[in-house]
Amino acid sequence: GQQVMQIPQYQHVQEGEDFTTYCNSSTTLSNIQWYKQRPGGHPVFLIQLVKSGEVKKQKRLTFQFGEAKKNSSLHITATQTTDVGTYFCADSSGGSYIPTFGRGTSLIVHP
Amino acid sequence: DAGVIQSPRHEVTEMGQEVTLRCKPISGHNSLFWYRQTMMRGLELLIYFNNNVPIDDSGMPEDRFSAKMPNASFSTLKIQPSEPRDSAVYFCASRRGHASSYEQYFGPGTRLTVT
Repeated sequence: GQQVMQIPQYQHVQEGEDFTTYCNSSTTLSNIQWYKQRPGGHPVFLIQLVKSGEVKKQKRLTFQFGEAKKNSSLHITATQTTDVGTYFCADSSGGSYIPTFGRGTSLIVHP
Repeated sequence: DAGVIQSPRHEVTEMGQEVTLRCKPISGHNSLFWYRQTMMRGLELLIYFNNNVPIDDSGMPEDRFSAKMPNASFSTLKIQPSEPRDSAVYFCASRRGHASSYEQYFGPGTRLTVT
């Protein structure tokens, strides 16, 4: 699998503030998956992006795939304490059957 | 659907002992993954099975680690002998198909502590 770099590693926000995490690759990705892991829990699949420039929304979460398919972002509007956890992107590029996970961004929401 | 089932949920053992972790994938899923997660190294893929056959075991740390999948509904990860540096959370995940575009479903994990 290819290397995907996630930034930032940690993010502290006040409840109600927005949050964004970025996933970057030096090579073109076929598709990208996002997962969320709550503290003490296991990664849970959120969404997959496939098309260049694709934007998908899940309530307060907005996922984007870059035009060049080398980066992706997850944006949370008006964070809530339930958003706490680590968000992982995973490269699932064609030709590789094994996704490569980024190191994740840990979101801490202060009430 | 019960989801991916792992046992035990917690394991505390002494250095040198054998440890066996178990996984039951989601019925109908033909791909199975074993991961190890630590603060230092993040989420590491140990081994990947497709249709019960090991496809990629390049992530298995060393000969002390072995994994089997005798049938479509059961897999084990064994560490013999265990060492303190093996302490981690071990996740099993299953996937419906071979293509990486299918999402993975993770089990609750086994938290292993080796003293």
